[in-house]
Amino acid sequence: SQQGEEDPQALSIQEGENATMNCSYKTSINNLQWYRQNSGRGLVHLILIRSNEREKHSGRLRVTLDTSKKSSSLLITASRAADTASYFCATNINTGTASKLTFGTGTRLQVTL
Amino acid sequence: DAGVIQSPRHEVTEMGQEVTLRCKPISGHNSLFWYRQTMMRGLELLIYFNNNVPIDDSGMPEDRFSAKMPNASFSTLKIQPSEPRDSAVYFCASKRTSTDTQYFGPGTRLTVL
Repeated sequence: SQQGEEDPQALSIQEGENATMNCSYKTSINNLQWYRQNSGRGLVHLILIRSNEREKHSGRLRVTLDTSKKSSSLLITASRAADTASYFCATNINTGTASKLTFGTGTRLQVTL
Repeated sequence: DAGVIQSPRHEVTEMGQEVTLRCKPISGHNSLFWYRQTMMRGLELLIYFNNNVPIDDSGMPEDRFSAKMPNASFSTLKIQPSEPRDSAVYFCASKRTSTDTQYFGPGTRLTVL
C-alpha cells in the first residue's frame, strides 16, 4: 500500500508564483525524499530530509518535515514553465539489511506562462 | 557518466507471450530496484537486490513475474505469460548501499494486447 499520500493531486499556477505540495505518511521513517518526474521520463531525485531535520533548502526548493504529524511539504519558489512535472514524496525505512523507498501518489504541477 | 540504462524503451506484445525487460545499473551501485507505474496503482516496488542477491520480492504480483541479477551490471525482469493487466511503465533504479538516493532509468513502456 502507498506509504505517502500527496495533496493536492494537481496544481496549476502561473510562472513566478510559488507552488506548495504536501505529503503525509503512516509509519516512522529514516528520511523522506522528493522526486520529480517529467512526462514520459524516469524519476529524478530533488532533495532528501532526514528524520532529525525540520527544514532543508536547495536552490528554489524548500522542504519541511514534521515527524509528529507525519507530514512534509515541498515549496518551489518563483516557479518556471520548466518546473511542470509530477512530484513524488518517498519515505525511506531502513530495516538494517534493507533500505527501500515507498512512493506517494504524486502531485501533478502545471506552470503556465 | 552513463545513467541507468533500460531496454527496450517500448514493448508491445500479445497476451500469453514472454516479455523480458533489461536493466544496466550505474557502475559502482550495488543496490538495484524494479518498479511498476500505472495510473491506478501509482509507483510500486516489485523487487530489489543488494549485491546481486534478492532482498525483498514481496511486491512481485504473482508467479508469472521473475527477476534475476546474474552480475553487478545486469538485471532482467521477466513476465511469462504476459497479460493485458501487466501493461505499465517498468522502471529500474540503482543506488550505492551507503546512500539512500536512487537513480532511475528512463523506463520501459509495456503494452500487452
